[in-house]
Amino acid sequence: KNQVEQSPQSLIILEGKNCTLQCNYTVSPFSNLRWYKQDTGRGPVSLTIMTFSENTKSNGRYTATLDADTKQSSLHITASQLSDSASYICVVSKAGGADGLTFGKGTHLIIQP
Amino acid sequence: EAGVTQFPSHSVIEKGQTVTLRCDPISGHDNLYWYRRVMGKEIKFLLHFVKESKQDESGMPNNRFLAERTGGTYSTLKVQPAELEDSGVYFCASRPNMAGELFFGEGSRLTVL
Repeated sequence: KNQVEQSPQSLIILEGKNCTLQCNYTVSPFSNLRWYKQDTGRGPVSLTIMTFSENTKSNGRYTATLDADTKQSSLHITASQLSDSASYICVVSKAGGADGLTFGKGTHLIIQP
Repeated sequence: EAGVTQFPSHSVIEKGQTVTLRCDPISGHDNLYWYRRVMGKEIKFLLHFVKESKQDESGMPNNRFLAERTGGTYSTLKVQPAELEDSGVYFCASRPNMAGELFFGEGSRLTVL
Protein backbone atom coordinates (compact mmCIF):
# COMPACT_ATOMS: atom_id res chain seq x y z
CA LYS A 1 0.00 0.00 0.00
CA ASN A 2 1.35 3.42 -0.95
CA GLN A 3 1.79 5.55 2.14
CA VAL A 4 3.13 8.91 3.20
CA GLU A 5 4.13 9.29 6.83
CA GLN A 6 4.91 12.66 8.38
CA SER A 7 6.60 13.58 11.63
CA PRO A 8 6.22 15.14 14.03
CA GLN A 9 2.44 15.17 14.20
CA SER A 10 2.60 18.60 15.82
CA LEU A 11 5.32 21.07 16.73
CA ILE A 12 5.48 24.26 18.76
CA ILE A 13 8.45 26.61 18.39
CA LEU A 14 9.26 30.20 19.25
CA GLU A 15 9.15 32.91 16.65
CA GLY A 16 12.49 33.34 14.94
CA LYS A 17 13.60 29.75 15.46
CA ASN A 18 14.20 27.20 12.72
CA CYS A 19 12.48 23.85 12.38
CA THR A 20 12.51 20.77 10.16
CA LEU A 21 9.54 18.62 9.23
CA GLN A 22 9.96 15.07 7.98
CA CYS A 23 8.20 13.00 5.35
CA ASN A 24 8.80 9.31 4.59
CA TYR A 25 7.01 7.60 1.75
CA THR A 26 6.59 4.20 0.17
CA VAL A 27 4.83 5.37 -3.00
CA SER A 28 6.20 3.59 -6.05
CA PRO A 29 6.90 4.23 -8.82
CA PHE A 30 7.76 7.76 -7.76
CA SER A 31 6.97 10.80 -9.87
CA ASN A 32 7.29 13.86 -7.66
CA LEU A 33 6.92 15.13 -4.11
CA ARG A 34 5.18 18.31 -3.06
CA TRP A 35 4.94 20.22 0.16
CA TYR A 36 1.77 22.17 0.81
CA LYS A 37 0.94 24.73 3.50
CA GLN A 38 -2.61 24.72 4.77
CA ASP A 39 -3.77 27.59 6.95
CA THR A 40 -6.73 26.90 9.24
CA GLY A 41 -9.96 27.02 7.26
CA ARG A 42 -8.18 27.39 3.94
CA GLY A 43 -7.17 25.07 1.14
CA PRO A 44 -3.64 23.69 0.71
CA VAL A 45 -1.21 25.99 -1.09
CA SER A 46 1.83 24.63 -2.87
CA LEU A 47 5.26 25.47 -1.46
CA THR A 48 7.61 23.26 -3.47
CA ILE A 49 7.57 20.41 -5.95
CA MET A 50 10.53 18.11 -6.55
CA THR A 51 11.10 15.38 -9.09
CA PHE A 52 13.35 12.35 -8.78
CA SER A 53 16.49 14.19 -9.88
CA GLU A 54 16.10 17.16 -7.56
CA ASN A 55 17.72 17.07 -4.12
CA THR A 56 16.74 20.46 -2.82
CA LYS A 57 14.40 23.30 -3.66
CA SER A 58 13.84 26.60 -1.91
CA ASN A 59 10.91 28.97 -1.73
CA GLY A 60 11.86 31.94 0.40
CA ARG A 61 12.40 30.75 3.97
CA TYR A 62 11.21 27.25 3.04
CA THR A 63 13.74 24.68 1.83
CA ALA A 64 12.71 21.18 0.86
CA THR A 65 15.10 18.27 0.42
CA LEU A 66 14.53 14.92 -1.23
CA ASP A 67 16.42 11.65 -0.97
CA ALA A 68 14.76 9.40 -3.51
CA ASP A 69 16.98 6.46 -2.53
CA THR A 70 15.81 6.40 1.07
CA LYS A 71 12.38 7.82 0.14
CA GLN A 72 12.66 10.67 2.58
CA SER A 73 11.97 14.37 2.33
CA SER A 74 12.25 17.25 4.74
CA LEU A 75 10.94 20.78 4.87
CA HIS A 76 13.14 23.26 6.69
CA ILE A 77 11.71 26.58 7.81
CA THR A 78 14.21 29.30 8.62
CA ALA A 79 13.61 32.22 10.97
CA SER A 80 10.01 31.28 11.62
CA GLN A 81 7.28 33.89 11.67
CA LEU A 82 3.86 33.86 13.31
CA SER A 83 2.31 33.49 9.85
CA ASP A 84 4.07 30.16 9.45
CA SER A 85 1.58 28.62 11.88
CA ALA A 86 -0.28 26.10 9.73
CA SER A 87 -0.43 22.45 8.73
CA TYR A 88 2.28 21.30 6.35
CA ILE A 89 1.30 18.43 4.12
CA CYS A 90 3.62 16.17 2.16
CA VAL A 91 2.08 14.83 -1.06
CA VAL A 92 3.70 12.18 -3.22
CA SER A 93 2.69 11.58 -6.81
CA LYS A 94 2.81 8.13 -8.35
CA ALA A 95 4.11 7.82 -11.86
CA GLY A 96 1.67 6.68 -14.48
CA GLY A 97 -1.52 7.15 -12.51
CA ALA A 98 -4.42 9.30 -13.57
CA ASP A 99 -4.14 11.15 -10.29
CA GLY A 100 -1.86 9.12 -8.05
CA LEU A 101 -1.54 11.72 -5.28
CA THR A 102 -1.00 10.26 -1.83
CA PHE A 103 -1.31 12.74 1.03
CA GLY A 104 0.33 12.63 4.42
CA LYS A 105 -1.68 13.59 7.49
CA GLY A 106 0.37 16.73 7.89
CA THR A 107 2.42 18.34 10.64
CA HIS A 108 0.60 20.98 12.64
CA LEU A 109 3.08 23.78 13.33
CA ILE A 110 2.47 26.50 15.90
CA ILE A 111 4.74 29.51 16.14
CA GLN A 112 4.63 31.25 19.48
CA PRO A 113 5.67 34.87 20.00
CA GLU B 1 -7.55 35.89 -11.67
CA ALA B 2 -10.07 34.08 -9.48
CA GLY B 3 -8.92 30.92 -7.76
CA VAL B 4 -10.86 27.72 -7.21
CA THR B 5 -14.07 28.61 -5.41
CA GLN B 6 -16.29 26.29 -3.45
CA PHE B 7 -19.79 26.67 -2.07
CA PRO B 8 -21.03 26.39 0.60
CA SER B 9 -18.11 26.90 2.94
CA HIS B 10 -19.97 25.02 5.67
CA SER B 11 -23.09 22.90 5.62
CA VAL B 12 -24.82 21.28 8.58
CA ILE B 13 -27.48 18.70 7.74
CA GLU B 14 -29.22 15.81 9.40
CA LYS B 15 -28.61 12.19 8.58
CA GLY B 16 -30.70 11.15 5.61
CA GLN B 17 -30.82 14.59 4.02
CA THR B 18 -29.24 15.61 0.76
CA VAL B 19 -26.43 18.10 0.23
CA THR B 20 -24.92 19.43 -2.97
CA LEU B 21 -21.47 20.96 -2.98
CA ARG B 22 -20.30 23.13 -5.83
CA CYS B 23 -16.86 23.84 -7.22
CA ASP B 24 -15.88 26.48 -9.76
CA PRO B 25 -12.38 25.71 -11.04
CA ILE B 26 -9.95 28.25 -12.37
CA SER B 27 -11.06 29.30 -15.85
CA GLY B 28 -9.46 27.16 -18.53
CA HIS B 29 -8.54 24.31 -16.22
CA ASP B 30 -9.72 21.10 -17.84
CA ASN B 31 -8.73 18.93 -14.88
CA LEU B 32 -10.93 19.07 -11.82
CA TYR B 33 -10.54 16.95 -8.71
CA TRP B 34 -12.57 16.25 -5.61
CA TYR B 35 -10.87 15.27 -2.38
CA ARG B 36 -12.12 14.68 1.15
CA ARG B 37 -10.53 15.00 4.55
CA VAL B 38 -12.19 13.22 7.42
CA MET B 39 -11.19 14.47 10.88
CA GLY B 40 -7.88 12.98 11.99
CA LYS B 41 -7.19 11.43 8.62
CA GLU B 42 -5.27 12.43 5.54
CA ILE B 43 -6.79 14.05 2.48
CA LYS B 44 -8.05 11.37 0.12
CA PHE B 45 -8.86 11.39 -3.55
CA LEU B 46 -12.49 11.03 -4.63
CA LEU B 47 -12.55 11.59 -8.37
CA HIS B 48 -11.03 13.36 -11.34
CA PHE B 49 -12.75 15.06 -14.28
CA VAL B 50 -11.13 15.95 -17.56
CA LYS B 51 -13.52 18.52 -18.98
CA GLU B 52 -16.94 16.91 -18.55
CA SER B 53 -15.70 13.31 -18.48
CA LYS B 54 -14.95 11.29 -15.37
CA GLN B 55 -11.34 10.21 -15.79
CA ASP B 56 -11.09 8.35 -12.50
CA GLU B 57 -13.75 7.88 -9.85
CA SER B 58 -12.04 5.10 -7.94
CA GLY B 59 -12.05 7.11 -4.73
CA MET B 60 -15.79 7.60 -4.49
CA PRO B 61 -16.88 5.86 -1.28
CA ASN B 62 -20.24 4.49 -2.46
CA ASN B 63 -23.24 5.17 -4.67
CA ARG B 64 -24.59 7.80 -2.30
CA PHE B 65 -22.07 10.14 -3.87
CA LEU B 66 -22.70 11.59 -7.32
CA ALA B 67 -20.40 14.03 -9.08
CA GLU B 68 -21.20 15.90 -12.24
CA ARG B 69 -19.48 18.43 -14.44
CA THR B 70 -21.94 19.31 -17.14
CA GLY B 71 -20.40 21.46 -19.85
CA GLY B 72 -16.95 20.98 -18.44
CA THR B 73 -17.06 24.08 -16.28
CA TYR B 74 -18.22 23.94 -12.67
CA SER B 75 -18.76 20.67 -10.85
CA THR B 76 -21.20 19.49 -8.22
CA LEU B 77 -20.86 16.72 -5.67
CA LYS B 78 -24.14 15.44 -4.27
CA VAL B 79 -24.44 13.26 -1.21
CA GLN B 80 -27.79 11.51 -0.94
CA PRO B 81 -28.74 10.35 1.63
CA ALA B 82 -26.03 11.71 3.91
CA GLU B 83 -24.64 9.53 6.68
CA LEU B 84 -22.71 10.50 9.80
CA GLU B 85 -19.42 9.21 8.38
CA ASP B 86 -19.72 11.62 5.45
CA SER B 87 -18.76 14.50 7.72
CA GLY B 88 -15.51 16.12 6.73
CA VAL B 89 -14.00 18.79 4.54
CA TYR B 90 -14.47 18.36 0.80
CA PHE B 91 -11.78 20.00 -1.30
CA CYS B 92 -11.91 20.76 -4.96
CA ALA B 93 -8.75 21.33 -6.99
CA SER B 94 -8.01 22.14 -10.60
CA ARG B 95 -5.12 22.38 -13.02
CA PRO B 96 -4.83 23.06 -16.74
CA ASN B 97 -3.14 19.75 -17.56
CA MET B 98 -1.57 16.78 -15.79
CA ALA B 99 1.82 18.50 -15.57
CA GLY B 100 0.47 21.76 -14.21
CA GLU B 101 0.35 22.94 -10.63
CA LEU B 102 -2.68 21.83 -8.64
CA PHE B 103 -4.69 24.66 -7.09
CA PHE B 104 -7.04 23.92 -4.23
CA GLY B 105 -10.22 25.61 -3.17
CA GLU B 106 -10.80 26.50 0.47
CA GLY B 107 -13.00 23.48 1.00
CA SER B 108 -16.59 22.83 1.97
CA ARG B 109 -17.02 21.59 5.51
CA LEU B 110 -19.88 19.11 5.82
CA THR B 111 -21.30 18.21 9.20
CA VAL B 112 -23.90 15.44 9.31
CA LEU B 113 -25.81 15.23 12.59
